Amino acid sequence: GAVVSQHPSRVICKSGTSVKIECRSLDFQATTMFWYRQFPKKSLMLMATSNEGSKATYEQGVEKDKFLINHASLTLSTLTVTSAHPEDSSFYICSARAGGSYNEQFFGPGTRLTVL
Amino acid sequence: AQTVTQSQPEMSVQEAETVTLSCTYDTSENNYYLFWYKQPPSRQMILVIRQEAYKQQNATENRFSVNFQKAAKSFSLKISDSQLGDTAMYFCAFRFLNAGGTSYGKLTFGQGTILTVHP
Repeated sequence: GAVVSQHPSRVICKSGTSVKIECRSLDFQATTMFWYRQFPKKSLMLMATSNEGSKATYEQGVEKDKFLINHASLTLSTLTVTSAHPEDSSFYICSARAGGSYNEQFFGPGTRLTVL
Repeated sequence: AQTVTQSQPEMSVQEAETVTLSCTYDTSENNYYLFWYKQPPSRQMILVIRQEAYKQQNATENRFSVNFQKAAKSFSLKISDSQLGDTAMYFCAFRFLNAGGTSYGKLTFGQGTILTVHP
């Protein structure tokens, strides 16, 4: 299958700082990218959906000013956690989908964010 | 809105035996995809198997097969000859398929089932 990368894989930051997570589709053009949050032993919670060149669509309850998503190209989407707090500590997973009739969704390896 | 329910938080099985994970869903749509994803301890999500709702034949992928009961809105996963590497969290998921045949929209995941394969 296609490859989706995330960087960094782990990040530790101080409370109040901002953190950027990158998601890249390495061998296909991703018309749509998704950002998920996952707590230990829990399901994936969709935070937002982004289409290249458009504003992201956020799920209910997700603060768009806190979780800034940019999908500037067909191979790159970024999630910026602004003014991070300890409760933002979590595992963040991105997913990318190509165009086409089936357009399978491929997942990145995830980023563990720890806010001290 | 559609919902996906996995009623088994944890399951265990002996190596080489067979295990079945349950999933039910609720939707008013007629055209959709169903998926099983595996998330091993590495936390990389891996697609195990998918089923198109318009296909009556159950999907199979090597040791993995599904029992798709559309009327009952049930989609169970059977793992045969379980291996230690099958230890993971398994998620059932749903996605719409529009009339033009293009899959669109977001995945809706179940709560997940933690499967442990014992030697």
